[in-house]
Amino acid sequence: NAGVTQTPKFQVLKTGQSMTLQCAQDMNHNSMYWYRQDPGMGLRLIYYSASEGTTDKGEVPNGYNVSRLNKREFSLRLESAAPSQTSVYFCAGRGGKSADTQYFGPGTRLTVL
Amino acid sequence: GNSVTQMEGPVTLSEEAFLTINCTYTATGYPSLFWYVQYPGEGLQLLLKATKADDKGSNKGFEATYRKETTSFHLEKGSVQVSDSAVYFCAHREVTSGSRLTFGEGTQLTVNP
Repeated sequence: NAGVTQTPKFQVLKTGQSMTLQCAQDMNHNSMYWYRQDPGMGLRLIYYSASEGTTDKGEVPNGYNVSRLNKREFSLRLESAAPSQTSVYFCAGRGGKSADTQYFGPGTRLTVL
Repeated sequence: GNSVTQMEGPVTLSEEAFLTINCTYTATGYPSLFWYVQYPGEGLQLLLKATKADDKGSNKGFEATYRKETTSFHLEKGSVQVSDSAVYFCAHREVTSGSRLTFGEGTQLTVNP
């Protein structure tokens, strides 16, 4: 099992550019999540998908959109990147064998200039 | 609202020292409690968890006990190693919030030889 995978690992964008962060899992997770990690602020939930076909806003959804393409994949899109979106982004999954535990991907480090 | 508060870091210890990282939470119900660890350049990994009052989670020499009366879940280890250097996150998940985790800010631990 690859677990939770994310692409790309690193990305630099200019203000106003768009991009999609990809996340895939092979652990049969029903729920998937996108977080951002900023110094001194822990992890904050951007969006989540409780099950295939559903998505909901988290704590900091502004400037982002998501798509739960199928059970395995959950993408995060920045339509018009801003410097405030410079962060490390983590995808996580829960469910299947891990009813109570979220499993995290390795992260994407995004810099917006 | 629901929140998790961790002891401020960074924490620097010598090898074989005793470690405590404090964590307290606010919740409206009876959450599950977690400690996650993040090694440099990696995603978060579950370290241990407890799902009800007085439960003790343990893993790799680390322990934490779910104290409902003090709403705490302090992380302890009797003898730290250099390889324990990482960022530690306390988190809780309330049944009423579905599957969402609320994280503390994280505590950076450095263990010197």
